[in-house]
Amino acid sequence: ETGVTQSPTHLIKTRGQQVTLRCSSQSGHNTVSWYQQALGQGPQFIFQYYREEENGRGNFPPRFSGLQFPNYSSELNVNALELDDSALYLCASSSAGAEAFFGQGTRLTVV
Amino acid sequence: AQRVTQPEKLLSVFKGAPVELKCNYSYSGSPELFWYVQYSRQRLQLLLRHISRESIKGFTADLNKGETSFHLKKPFAQEEDSAMYYCALGRPGTASKLTFGTGTRLQVTL
Repeated sequence: ETGVTQSPTHLIKTRGQQVTLRCSSQSGHNTVSWYQQALGQGPQFIFQYYREEENGRGNFPPRFSGLQFPNYSSELNVNALELDDSALYLCASSSAGAEAFFGQGTRLTVV
Repeated sequence: AQRVTQPEKLLSVFKGAPVELKCNYSYSGSPELFWYVQYSRQRLQLLLRHISRESIKGFTADLNKGETSFHLKKPFAQEEDSAMYYCALGRPGTASKLTFGTGTRLQVTL
């Protein structure tokens, strides 16, 4: 059984660019949630995907979008990057209300 | 709106001393409450879920609906307990779509 993996681990982007972050869910999990964790803060819920459909969204603008694929892996896309988007982005996978398992995160720096 | 408050950014205790990490929440209804822990250079992992009523690594947490609190306790702190602790809230029946507090760093010293 493999855990949740995220790629890349770090990246630097320029303000106004677009970025795609990737997440492979744990084997057997059909739900993926994305979180943004700014420095010194707790993770903040962005959205969740369940069986390839968005299943709940936090207080984030539409330039944050996502996808889930048939193998339940997921992408987080952020358009028109702003300096405040600099954060650690966490992916968590789960199944049927059970415990969510987190990835190691992708650290995004916007300059 | 749902909210989780962890009033202490840092809690420093001596080895063998009791530990209490505070968590208060705001939610209309009966939420699910969790404690997550992040050890140095490791990923966030679940420590406790209130419905399981388990004691993990000597930690316990009791949901007090009257005080809307879910404090994490351990009678005798160990060095290996040093970590970042996050309290989180979810809707009934779900362990995802969580609202996290800002976290408390527990530092256990000799």
